[in-house]
Amino acid sequence: EVQLLESGGGLVQPGGSLRLSCAASGFSFGGYAMSWVRQAPGKGLEWVSSISGSGTTTYYAGSVRGRFAISRDNSRNTLYLQMNSLRAEDRALYYCAKTNRGYNWNYFDSWGQGTLVTVSS
Amino acid sequence: DIVMTQTPLSLSVTPGQPASISCKSSQSLLHSDGKTYLYWYLQKPGQPPQLLIYEVFNRFSGVPDRFSGSGSGTDFTLRISRVEAEDVGVYYCMQSRQLPGLTFGGGTKVEIK
Repeated sequence: EVQLLESGGGLVQPGGSLRLSCAASGFSFGGYAMSWVRQAPGKGLEWVSSISGSGTTTYYAGSVRGRFAISRDNSRNTLYLQMNSLRAEDRALYYCAKTNRGYNWNYFDSWGQGTLVTVSS
Repeated sequence: DIVMTQTPLSLSVTPGQPASISCKSSQSLLHSDGKTYLYWYLQKPGQPPQLLIYEVFNRFSGVPDRFSGSGSGTDFTLRISRVEAEDVGVYYCMQSRQLPGLTFGGGTKVEIK
């Protein structure tokens, strides 16, 4: 059974940094691209970033490009999201999501429960 | 980015009755490989989204056959033949025709009368 467990969320001041982690189990982690998707309180879903299974290719939404960095450690079955220069509008529940392939993926087939990021002074 | 527009915003359905949700994209989701990259997710209250339908009409593993998807190009529909209490939540369409730039619809909230 696929399990994705996010951690690292919390309260941070505007301009601050936070690093999210997602511990994966139940599948061959390095064989699948992974993504972060966020959901502001009471709002819809917004794709944030994705990384190929090998970690060599990354993608970012325009709203976070240059501020966030996605990475992965396939030896530890863990996905990361380094978030810098955080803004109030980054406040959201951040989901880790597994995709259907390692590269040229098309959809998310498993999601974690999410970790909440709050940006406030 | 491709804009995904869902209607209606909300739906109140009597158990056993059908329901239908529309999703329109600002550009065609048909790829040169012949596939159309349109997906449907259901987010039940307090839970992460779960995949229902992939590439317009294919039911994901374990999804009941009362759920069906149809459409082409820029117009798509999710149908529930007989709504059950467990179907409540927010339904999202998603496109991955453009990646990066994957986008979701705004969501349709389904509740039971």
